[in-house]
Amino acid sequence: DIQMTQSPSSLPASLGDRVTITCRASQDIGNYLRWFQQKPGKSPRLMIYGATNLAAGVPSRFSGSRSGSDYSLTINSLESEDMAIYYCLQHNEYPFTFGSGTKLEIK
Amino acid sequence: EVQLVESGGGLVQPGRSLKLSCVASGFTFSNYGMNWIRQAPGKGLEWVAYISSGSSYIYYAETVKGRFTISRDNAKNTLYLQMTSLRSEDTALYYCVGLGAGYWGQGVMVTVSS
Repeated sequence: DIQMTQSPSSLPASLGDRVTITCRASQDIGNYLRWFQQKPGKSPRLMIYGATNLAAGVPSRFSGSRSGSDYSLTINSLESEDMAIYYCLQHNEYPFTFGSGTKLEIK
Repeated sequence: EVQLVESGGGLVQPGRSLKLSCVASGFTFSNYGMNWIRQAPGKGLEWVAYISSGSSYIYYAETVKGRFTISRDNAKNTLYLQMTSLRSEDTALYYCVGLGAGYWGQGVMVTVSS
């Protein structure tokens, strides 16, 4: 199975900060990588698909990038509504696997 | 408006069975592969199973293979998950998900406990 190593697990940050969350894939997954945002008591929301593409309705301060087997989600100018848990998902091959999550919280 | 509405969850004893349903509306259900994804209380997301649009391709996580069966009825716009030989570690919120389109249900809770 493909392992997705996500870091950090917790990310204290201040409003207006630029933050980056990273997932490293244990095998090649191409660009079959998605990022989800989950707020307490809510279903996950798709933020990024195809590693770098912004999902519909997602603010432009969110972006995705890839460097080799490392995939990153960056949020520019953090807003209070961005506080949530973020997960990556590889869907290149079954079984699909998620990263362990990053809890973004106010410092 | 796209809706995925799960049902069938509840409290069940270890070793027993339960069948989840997910009724889809607001999109052409028969065009999409569908997944079940679960989340144990306070934990992360775990992909459980996938079924292609025409049911030709089915995949399972190793943790549920041989115990869970995913199926669908496109005429009824409904996705199913038959769960047997349930274990305490199957306790989770189960989401019906159209990953390709980014559609998630609100989830249905399954609690396995004596």
